[in-house]
Amino acid sequence: NAGVTQTPKFQVLKTGQSMTLQCAQDMNHNSMYWYRQDPGMGLRLIYYSASEGTTDKGEVPNGYNVSRLNKREFSLRLESAAPSQTSVYFCASSPGNSNQPQHFGDGTRLSIL
Amino acid sequence: DQQVKQNSPSLSVQEGRISILNCDYTNSMFDYFLWYKKYPAEGPTFLISISSIKDKNEDGRFTVFLNKSAKHLSLHIVPSQPGDSAVYFCAASYYSGGYQKVTFGTGTKLQVIP
Repeated sequence: NAGVTQTPKFQVLKTGQSMTLQCAQDMNHNSMYWYRQDPGMGLRLIYYSASEGTTDKGEVPNGYNVSRLNKREFSLRLESAAPSQTSVYFCASSPGNSNQPQHFGDGTRLSIL
Repeated sequence: DQQVKQNSPSLSVQEGRISILNCDYTNSMFDYFLWYKKYPAEGPTFLISISSIKDKNEDGRFTVFLNKSAKHLSLHIVPSQPGDSAVYFCAASYYSGGYQKVTFGTGTKLQVIP
């Protein structure tokens, strides 16, 4: 019963490098989300995908791109990493047909030097 | 503009006593409210929710109260246990246009002292 799986769990990058964070869910959910968590800032939405084939910007999309590869997978890409993108990244999913709780992965801790 | 606020960054409570965590919101469109619990190095896990048509929802030791006129909700944990020590996030949402918009608070770190 995996739920939401994120890879990798940890990553260190140099400024300017690129990277893709992977997320997969096995709950047949329609909606998927990417958040970042910074101290004192709570969870802020980067991008979301309300359903397969659609993606939209959230609160803090600059410097990121996403791909909804299929219903299960939603990836987040940093094209040119910056130190300000050092954070913990969480992927989440939800059924997407009404107000319901989101299910979260265990996060990717990303450090950019 | 922070639409969901948790004004207490931390809270310490003795084991067996009541823990009360508070949350305020500003957007009148929110009609569904949630609490998540987060342990270090793990993702947030859903704890309890309440719809705007209710003013109270109870699940075991956890009760959420909603005061719509004051735009305030609270989470009561009775009795508090050491395993409840975690960061608690309040969230508020509404569903529109095929999308559930969720806004999180900044979290309250609860420490339950044995």
